Amino acid sequence: GQSLEQPSEVTAVEGAIVQINCTYQTSGFYGLSWYQQHDGGAPTFLSYNGLDGLEETGRFSSFLSRSDSYGYLLLQELQMKDSASYFCAVREADFNKFYFGSGTKLNVKP
Amino acid sequence: AAGVIQSPRHLIKEKRETATLKCYPIPRHDTVYWYQQGPGQDPQFLISFYEKMQSDKGSIPDRFSAQQFSDYHSELNMSSLELGDSALYFCASSSKLSGTENHNEQFFGPGTRLTVL
Repeated sequence: GQSLEQPSEVTAVEGAIVQINCTYQTSGFYGLSWYQQHDGGAPTFLSYNGLDGLEETGRFSSFLSRSDSYGYLLLQELQMKDSASYFCAVREADFNKFYFGSGTKLNVKP
Repeated sequence: AAGVIQSPRHLIKEKRETATLKCYPIPRHDTVYWYQQGPGQDPQFLISFYEKMQSDKGSIPDRFSAQQFSDYHSELNMSSLELGDSALYFCASSSKLSGTENHNEQFFGPGTRLTVL
């Protein structure tokens, strides 16, 4: 079966840095994506890692270690609008099939 | 820029009824995905289509079926609806050119909120 583990909730203050971890166990692995979803909204793509290492996109960075089946999303200079749920998602091999983690609810406080 | 369009946005049905959800992907996107998201849950992959052919299946119940048409729009047909089918249904699309690599960025529609009474 497929298993993706994320912390259920994280709280941080504006301007801080927060890291959301994701560990996965899947029958096949092609890459790890991160999505942001505000309440009642649609998931929005943030980043993708196909190879080990760090990918940086503005205030957001994502890291992958394939040997450890582990990745994380790093959010810097937190803003109130970053309060949302964040999902990691694994693409199963070179297929058009994705599995999402249970999501991490990020609460940003003033 | 054009986005993924889903209709209807809200749908209320009775148990045992049928429902049809429609999705219009971003123009020139060749892959469509359907997801089901229950309250407080993660999106569950249901099914995907590549170039109008079924590509992969996830946790789609046998009561559900889907297809992609010649104009690339897709429909999710749900029969014998149950209370547990109440959820937000997302359609997403992608292409070889989306994101940094092949198909790794999906663009989600606004979703259809289905309520089964």
